[in-house]
Amino acid sequence: AAGVIQSPRHLIKEKRETATLKCYPIPRHDTVYWYQQGPGQDPQFLISFYEKMQSDKGSIPDRFSAQQFSDYHSELNMSSLELGDSALYFCASSLGRGLNTEAFFGQGTRLTVV
Amino acid sequence: DAKTTQPTSMDCAEGRAANLPCNHSTISGNEYVYWYRQIHSQGPQYIIHGLKNNETNEMASLIITEDRKSSTLILPHATLRDTAVYYCIVRVLGGTSYGKLTFGQGTILTVHP
Repeated sequence: AAGVIQSPRHLIKEKRETATLKCYPIPRHDTVYWYQQGPGQDPQFLISFYEKMQSDKGSIPDRFSAQQFSDYHSELNMSSLELGDSALYFCASSLGRGLNTEAFFGQGTRLTVV
Repeated sequence: DAKTTQPTSMDCAEGRAANLPCNHSTISGNEYVYWYRQIHSQGPQYIIHGLKNNETNEMASLIITEDRKSSTLILPHATLRDTAVYYCIVRVLGGTSYGKLTFGQGTILTVHP
């Protein structure tokens, strides 16, 4: 079965550069979630989208922005990168945003800021 | 968000049942309990979820107490590949939340031969 696709899988950037992470949800899924997981930490919710509109917002820095496009894929844009942004970034998708809908995660993008 | 409390770590012998407890005493009536696991930096994997009835699927069983203040995830025959961090999450709808999944400190389950 098709899963959530994230690209790239690995990314190395220098401080103050920008990065764009992409997420392709499972076909027909209309909801996308973004998470950040630092070394040794639990996944932290950043932001979510439902039907191309922002749904929930978590601890996403102002330097980050995200959007969901008409084909439901989503992009997380990160500017003025800092060393502390080095982390695993996960995307998840679900059909609907209700409480009784499973969310499935991609394999993540490992971002390293040097 | 409804807070969950899980043991920091647990051990289980291969082939035996692994029973992972979770306390969620502040859960509200319409909030679901979800279980995910994460195997060494891979994406979190959905296991099971439930509202108030016990649930079973090909991976695990979920037992929710009648007062819904706690639950137990059961892996009936643990294998070495079940070694992972297991997260119990109460999914909240209301206030500023439209059902985001909030990960807390999970349980590190180690399955040994």
